[in-house]
Amino acid sequence: GIQVEQSPPDLILQEGANSTLRCNFSDSVNNLQWFHQNPWGQLINLFYIPSGTKQNGRLSATTVATERYSLLYISSSQTTDSGVYFCAVERAGGYNKLIFGAGTRLAVHP
Amino acid sequence: DTAVSQTPKYLVTQMGNDKSIKCEQNLGHDTMYWYKQDSKKFLKIMFSYNNKELIINETVPNRFSPKSPDKAHLNLHINSLELGDSAVYFCASSRLPTGSQETQYFGPGTRLLVL
Repeated sequence: GIQVEQSPPDLILQEGANSTLRCNFSDSVNNLQWFHQNPWGQLINLFYIPSGTKQNGRLSATTVATERYSLLYISSSQTTDSGVYFCAVERAGGYNKLIFGAGTRLAVHP
Repeated sequence: DTAVSQTPKYLVTQMGNDKSIKCEQNLGHDTMYWYKQDSKKFLKIMFSYNNKELIINETVPNRFSPKSPDKAHLNLHINSLELGDSAVYFCASSRLPTGSQETQYFGPGTRLLVL
């Protein structure tokens, strides 16, 4: 099956810093989503981005489908950005079966 | 106006019991899913239903039985609960099961603890 690798596994930032999270995947995809799981456990959709670039406030994401990776950029990080960031992909023809990466655990300190 | 809701939020029970978790979505979606998140935060799909029909059935013990009374509801029944079933169970929904532009929306999760 398709493999999804996220890096780094853990990240500690000072408030105000910028960061880049990476997601590599091993096969063609027709769905890629980034999620934020907050400290209360809720999974929040950040981006649906099987290709291209999107921006939402301080967050932006880029997926280069031909090279099988996606990047999530967090600028001017805030303590509320803490949590786990997941990348999830659906292999082309995969019945919307999302395969999740192991996540990047982000801690933003004041 | 919750999009995907689950009940209960927390469930603490004894080994061997049978329990159910309910999920409802008011998004008008045709497809619903159950995912399991283990203690290491790893998320894995268990089941998917499209318009009340099972379309994804991963390698899950047959003690787990999903039931979809209508396309807005997908319940998960677990028989003979075991310690290893302790996890967070997430329900999700999407408009259609295949194709592009199909964002999945997740419920708040049900935290199950088996003692």
